[in-house]
Amino acid sequence: EVQLVQSGAEVKKPGESLKISCKGSGYSFTSYWIGWVRQMPGKGLEWMGIIYPGDSDTRYSPSFQGQVTISADKSISTAYLQWSSLKASDTAMYYCARQYSSSPHWYFDLWGRGTLVTVSS
Amino acid sequence: DIVMTQSPDSLAVSLGERATINCKSSQSVLYSSNNKNYLAWYQQKPGQPPKLLIYWASTRESGVPDRFSGSGSGTDFTLTISSLQAEDVAVYYCQQYYSTLYSFGQGTKLEIK
Repeated sequence: EVQLVQSGAEVKKPGESLKISCKGSGYSFTSYWIGWVRQMPGKGLEWMGIIYPGDSDTRYSPSFQGQVTISADKSISTAYLQWSSLKASDTAMYYCARQYSSSPHWYFDLWGRGTLVTVSS
Repeated sequence: DIVMTQSPDSLAVSLGERATINCKSSQSVLYSSNNKNYLAWYQQKPGQPPKLLIYWASTRESGVPDRFSGSGSGTDFTLTISSLQAEDVAVYYCQQYYSTLYSFGQGTKLEIK
């Protein structure tokens, strides 16, 4: 089955670090871009960045550049989103999604179920 | 950056009636070399991830009911549900992928009247 499986919900304190994951299966993980999308509680979708696992080419939204790091380990078909110092405002659902193309000018055709990150003291 | 603006923010339509959602981009998302509009529509039901409905502005994703259709070109686009079903209650988003600084519309909440 073609799917993206995301890691489980996290509860963290402000200032802590975090790395969440997105594992692709059923397709050639290294051949297609993976993006990350934030959805704050009750709000809309915000694109954060994308990575091409084949060569780790990574592009960030200016809104998230420097705030998060996107990476991938192609040996285990997994993409990551990480924070070095969480803030309460990072509380959100985070989705990974695939672009079924080697071109980044593509739509997101497959989505993970999301990872809920809660940051609270 | 390309800004995507949807209208209305919310919409209530009777079962079996037509629902129309509009999306306007701040600059054209039509790529002249291939005559494709780099515009997608997604549906998000409560507690679920977004689901791709339409891409290239008017191509329906496999498995999407044919009551969903997309139209438009350049900067103005429309998602139409020809006969609203109860299961269509959701928030709908447009997204441009013309620029790799992707952007989504703010969403349109569709409810049953």
